[in-house]
Amino acid sequence: EIVLTQSPATLSLSPGERATLSCRASQSVLNYLAWYQQKAGQAPRLLIYDASIRAIGVPARFSGSGSGTDFTLTISSLEPEDFAVYYCQQRNNWLTFGGGTKVEIK
Amino acid sequence: EAQLVESGGGLVQPGGSLRLSCAASGFTFKNSSMNWVRQSPGKGLEWVSYMSSSGITIHYADSVKGRFTISRDNARNSLYLQMNSLKDEDTAVYYCARNLHSGWYFDYWGQGILVSVSS
Repeated sequence: EIVLTQSPATLSLSPGERATLSCRASQSVLNYLAWYQQKAGQAPRLLIYDASIRAIGVPARFSGSGSGTDFTLTISSLEPEDFAVYYCQQRNNWLTFGGGTKVEIK
Repeated sequence: EAQLVESGGGLVQPGGSLRLSCAASGFTFKNSSMNWVRQSPGKGLEWVSYMSSSGITIHYADSVKGRFTISRDNARNSLYLQMNSLKDEDTAVYYCARNLHSGWYFDYWGQGILVSVSS
C-alpha cells in the first residue's frame, strides 16, 4: 500500500498569506495525485487532479505541482473560505489518502 | 448540477448488517463509475469500494472484502452498499462519490450518512 504523508499537520496563517502544503508518497505515484478541500460538516471537494489540473470551478489561486513522490498544493493568497482541511489522494497503485493538513486562521 | 443523496445509515450492533443507498440526479448515472468512501469520526478518508458504469468491474478495500457488497441499478439511478458482519471499526460517515471520467478521483460527493456500530 502506498502511504501518503502530509505536512505540516496544521498550518496557521492569516488571510492574504501564501499557503504551501506538502504530500509525500512512500513510492512513486507518477503524476496520479489529487487534492481535496474539506470544511467542517461537509463532504470533500476536488481541487486538483493529476498533480496540477484544476477541477471545474476551482479558483486560480489554487495550484498543484510535483511528480513521483513529492507534491505541493499552493494557495497563492488565502481567502477566508480557504481555511479548511486538505487531503491528497493517489490512484497509481489502488487508492489511498493522506492524513490531511488543517489550514487554520492565525 | 450533479447531486448524490445517501440513505440507510444508523446504529447497528457488531455482527449486524446494514444497506446504504445513494440516489443520483443531475447527470447520466449509467455512464458514471461510482465509489463508496468513508471517514471515521475525527479521522481521515478511506476508499471502500468501486463499481464501473456497467457494473462489470468491482473493487473493494482489503478492510471490507468479503463483508461488503457494492451494487447499482442504472434504471433507478441508484448505488448501494450491503454491509454485513459489521465491526466497531466500520463506524464512519459513508460517502457516495462519482468517479471523474478522466481518472480514479472523485468529482461529486454526497452529503454522507453516519453508520455507527456499537453494542
